[in-house]
Amino acid sequence: GENVEQHPSTLSVQEGDSAVIKCTYSDSASNYFPWYKQELGKRPQLIIDIRSNVGEKKDQRIAVTLNKTAKHFSLHITETQPEDSAVYFCAAKGDSGGYQKVTFGTGTKLQVIP
Amino acid sequence: EAQVTQNPRYLITVTGKKLTVTCSQNMNHEYMSWYRQDPGLGLRQIYYSMNVEVTDKGDVPEGYKVSRKEKRNFPLILESPSPNQTSLYFCASSFGSANEQFFGPGTRLTVL
Repeated sequence: GENVEQHPSTLSVQEGDSAVIKCTYSDSASNYFPWYKQELGKRPQLIIDIRSNVGEKKDQRIAVTLNKTAKHFSLHITETQPEDSAVYFCAAKGDSGGYQKVTFGTGTKLQVIP
Repeated sequence: EAQVTQNPRYLITVTGKKLTVTCSQNMNHEYMSWYRQDPGLGLRQIYYSMNVEVTDKGDVPEGYKVSRKEKRNFPLILESPSPNQTSLYFCASSFGSANEQFFGPGTRLTVL
């Protein structure tokens, strides 16, 4: 089955700096890669996603890149703000053998220091 | 208001006492999932459903059952809960497996 690894597990940056979180996946048939943000005590919410036919997607300060050959994708947050502090999860949706599982990474706790 | 609801939000129970956590969505979504969230392990998919009467195992299905008799509801059943099922549980729904998932508020379960 799919295996998603996420690094780093914790990340501290100064306000205004950039943050990068990286994920690798194992199933070459995976075709959908969302990123979720979970604030303390809240439910996860989608912040950006990318499909396997696209290499990069950007939404204001947030961007995601996908390298299908290397089977890795990354989240980039520029000009970080204190409200970006949260746990971020990457995920991959498999498509092998008819299964439609979604596998999440173990999360990155981002702290933005004012 | 478009939403995913779960009940109960908090539950403390004892080993072996059957319980059901309900999940309902009002967005006419076809894909529904249950996840458990444990520190350091992220979100792990328990079961998912592609549509009414279509369910399949996720990565950690042991000890759980689900059913999808109606499109809007996707209950999670623990027939004989054990302490290792103590966790935070999230239900989620989306139009399809490759679409944004909307999560419920979570159910914090403690099994003594």
